[in-house]
Order: sequence, then structure tokens, then C-alpha cells
Amino acid sequence: GESVGLHLPTLSVQEGDNSIINCAYSNSASDYFIWYKQESGKGPQFIIDIRSNMDKRQGQRVTVLLNKTVKHLSLQIAATQPGDSAVYFCAEYNTPNGAGNNRKLIWGLGTSLAVNP
Amino acid sequence: GAGVSQSPSNKVTEKGKDVELRCDPISGHTALYWYRQSLGQGLEFLIYFQGNSAPDKSGLPSDRFSAERTGGSVSTLTIQRTQQEDSAVYLCASNRLSTDTQYFGPGTRLTVL
Repeated sequence: GESVGLHLPTLSVQEGDNSIINCAYSNSASDYFIWYKQESGKGPQFIIDIRSNMDKRQGQRVTVLLNKTVKHLSLQIAATQPGDSAVYFCAEYNTPNGAGNNRKLIWGLGTSLAVNP
Repeated sequence: GAGVSQSPSNKVTEKGKDVELRCDPISGHTALYWYRQSLGQGLEFLIYFQGNSAPDKSGLPSDRFSAERTGGSVSTLTIQRTQQEDSAVYLCASNRLSTDTQYFGPGTRLTVL
């Protein structure tokens, strides 16, 4: 079946370093991808998204890269801070927009990011 | 504005009892989702409501699970005859019809003894 998976289940970085979290997806028809951050005891929080007609999108200290050729998504966090410690999920929609009511998010397993002071 | 709210935040119940979990989506959001998350795991899709369309129930793990959405707003997830394996955090999310970003509530932590 369709799935989104993460290369690394855990990532440990030093404060101030850049972090890169990777994600592989298998649905070539996906047109929208989202990164979420989940802190302990809280629901996932939207970080940044990217549509399939783009290959890069930047936010505040975060950049998402999309490589449709190899079906790979990455989240880059610049100057990682202790507050960035969380589990990061990538998610993709299972069908293109307009394909009907079965459109829903498919979630990866998550990568736990630990920032060492 | 107000985000997605869920109640209760924690629920401890005995095996075999029924439980009801409530979700109040963001006002104006027509889509509402329920997910289940076990400790250290990803999100497991349960059910999806979109406007007046028939809900997508494809993720419900058994017939003990059901959900309703009244008036296109508040939703209730009901688990009948709870089992220990039902213990998890139940998350609700909503989004507007015209956008795809889902906004999550804080979740309800269910513990079945």
C-alpha cells in the first residue's frame, strides 16, 4: 500500500548546528506534503508545507526540499535550538486535490530530534 | 482565534466500559479527522468527516469504534466495551475545505485498566 516512511527514527544534534530530517514517500500522485512538529504531550503542530509544483520552500529557520524524481522530502532546521526538540512527522495526501472525498493525509512514523546544549 | 479543543484531556476507564471523546473543531472548518497515536508511534487514521458527505470510516479498527458529527461541528468518538489495546492518545484535527493544512487539538489520553 501507499506509505510514507522516515530514514532515521532518531537524530541528535548540538545546539546551533543545522538539522536535516529526511522522509521517503511512495505515492507519485501526491501533490501536497506537510511537516509537523509534535512536542511531548501535545498534538502535532504545522511547520511548513510544499506543493508538488515546487522543489524548495523556506520558512523561519526551516526549509523543505522536495525531490520528486526520487520521491524524497527533507526538512532542514537552521541553528537548531533546544526548543526544537520534538518528534517531526512528514505527511502526504494520498490523492491529488479534487480526486474526491477519499483524500486524506498519510503519516510517516516520525523522527525524534534531540538537541544537546 | 480558538483552536481545536478536545475533552476530556485524560480518561481512565475499566476494561469493558464505554467511553466518549469529544472534539470541537475550529469554527468554519468543514473537515474533521480522528487519529489514534500509541506511545512513541505515528498517527493512525480512524475516521474523516467532510461537510455533509458520508464519513470515511475506513480506519476504524473494529465495530466497537464509532463517531458522529452533529451539525457539521462537534464530533464524538465512542469506543464501546473498551479493551486494554485501546489505550492511546486520540487526536482530532480539522481544516477548511479550501485548504489542506490540518490543525490538531491537544488530544485525549485514554487509559484502559
